[in-house]
Amino acid sequence: DAGITQSPRHKVTETGTPVTLRCHQTENHRYMYWYRQDPGHGLRLIHYSYGVKDTDKGEVSDGYSVSRSKTEDFLLTLESATSSQTSVYFCAISGGLTGAYEQYFGPGTRLTVT
Amino acid sequence: SQKIEQNSEALNIQEGKTATLTCNYTNYSPAYLQWYRQDPGRGPVFLLLIRENEKEKRKERLKVTFDTTLKQSLFHITASQPADSATYLCAPSGGDDKIIFGKGTRLHILP
Repeated sequence: DAGITQSPRHKVTETGTPVTLRCHQTENHRYMYWYRQDPGHGLRLIHYSYGVKDTDKGEVSDGYSVSRSKTEDFLLTLESATSSQTSVYFCAISGGLTGAYEQYFGPGTRLTVT
Repeated sequence: SQKIEQNSEALNIQEGKTATLTCNYTNYSPAYLQWYRQDPGRGPVFLLLIRENEKEKRKERLKVTFDTTLKQSLFHITASQPADSATYLCAPSGGDDKIIFGKGTRLHILP
């Protein structure tokens, strides 16, 4: 993995509670992304960032917010978790010296909302 | 809306043969297209990127073609090995900051 960590790796939480997932990179890549992956749907973009404090919505952004206060960290927050947000969440980065477009993924966070 | 189609059924190939995976897209014109490999329980791993002005790209046993007229990319693995068994994701992009992933094709290389 290209210097990307995600925390926590596994989490079980109850409906209605707030949850924050963290993505940390050591590669100094400009772009960071949050995806969710579900059976039958594949990878879907939630939010992404193109710089510090610069973020934009993806395909499935409802119920999620993000923040990027420094280059290396990108946080995904579920303000009030719902069972439909049970999923595997992947963080990705791109924009390094090897190529602007290829994405490098973290190990994923498995989130279960009961 | 933009749509990406990959073989939804698993592909079983005998070891040593060439595996060919198909990616079709509709309703947009990607400037480039990427292929990723994903193993169970792990994040996708970048394999190859091909641009719209390139017909073919190779990397070791991998070959990708990109036909913008047919709106199709083919991904080939020659001399396939059981270690090549994985899910392969196609990801076209219009050249902006985002890419859209197909749902992937599961490939099984049979020894």
